Amino acid sequence: AQKITQTQPGMFVQEKEAVTLDCTYDTSDQSYGLFWYKQPSSGEMIFLIYQGSYDEQNATEGRYSLNFQKARKSANLVISASQLGDSAMYFCAMRDTGGFKTIFGAGTRLFVKA
Amino acid sequence: DAGVIQSPRHEVTEMGQEVTLRCKPISGHDYLFWYRQTMMRGLELLIYFNNNVPIDDSGMPEDRFSAKMPNASFSTLKIQPSEPRDSAVYFCASSPRDEASTDTQYFGPGTRLTVL
Repeated sequence: AQKITQTQPGMFVQEKEAVTLDCTYDTSDQSYGLFWYKQPSSGEMIFLIYQGSYDEQNATEGRYSLNFQKARKSANLVISASQLGDSAMYFCAMRDTGGFKTIFGAGTRLFVKA
Repeated sequence: DAGVIQSPRHEVTEMGQEVTLRCKPISGHDYLFWYRQTMMRGLELLIYFNNNVPIDDSGMPEDRFSAKMPNASFSTLKIQPSEPRDSAVYFCASSPRDEASTDTQYFGPGTRLTVL
C-alpha cells in the first residue's frame, strides 16, 4: 500500500535561512507524482511544487525546491531564504498516475522566527 | 480566474440534521475531489469524480455520506443524519487533465463543519 511519512511534527527556522522538510514515501508503482502543499493558519491548501517520478531534474518553484532521491524514496522540500509568511503547516502528498487517488502525510508545522 | 468555490464556509448543526456542502470547481477541470481533514486522521480522500461520474468512493466513511455531481460546475456532499464525529473541515478540490500530466489538485477554502 502507498504511504507518506513526514517525521518532523514541528520545525523552527530563523528568518532568511533555508530549511528542509522531510518526506519519505512508499509505493510499488513505477509512475507516480509527488506534491507539496502549504496550509497557513487561515486553513486553505496551497499547491507549492510537483515532482514526477520520471523527472530527472529536481523541481523548483521560486524559493521552493524539491530534493528528489528516487532510490531512497524521499522527496524533501527545501525553502530558501525563509520569510515570516512561510510559517504554516506543510503537507507532502503522492498520487499514482494510474489514477487520481492522492494520499497525504501527517504534515510538518514550520515556525519562522524573526 | 476564480478558484474552487465552497459554501458554506462554516456550518454548525445539531446531531441528526442533514448537512449539504457545496462546491464549484475551476472551469474546465475534469476531476473533482472531496476530502475531510481532522486532527486525528489528517487529510482523507472521500470520493472523486471524472467528468461528473463518481470514480472512487471507497473513502466515504459510511452510508450516511453521499456525493453527487449533476453537472460540470457543481457538486454536493451530503451527510444525513449528521453525527458529532463528522465534525471536520471538508475540502473540495479540482484538477485538470493537463498536457504535462501533473494533474495538480487545486483546493477550495474548505467548509468547517461542527455537529453538536
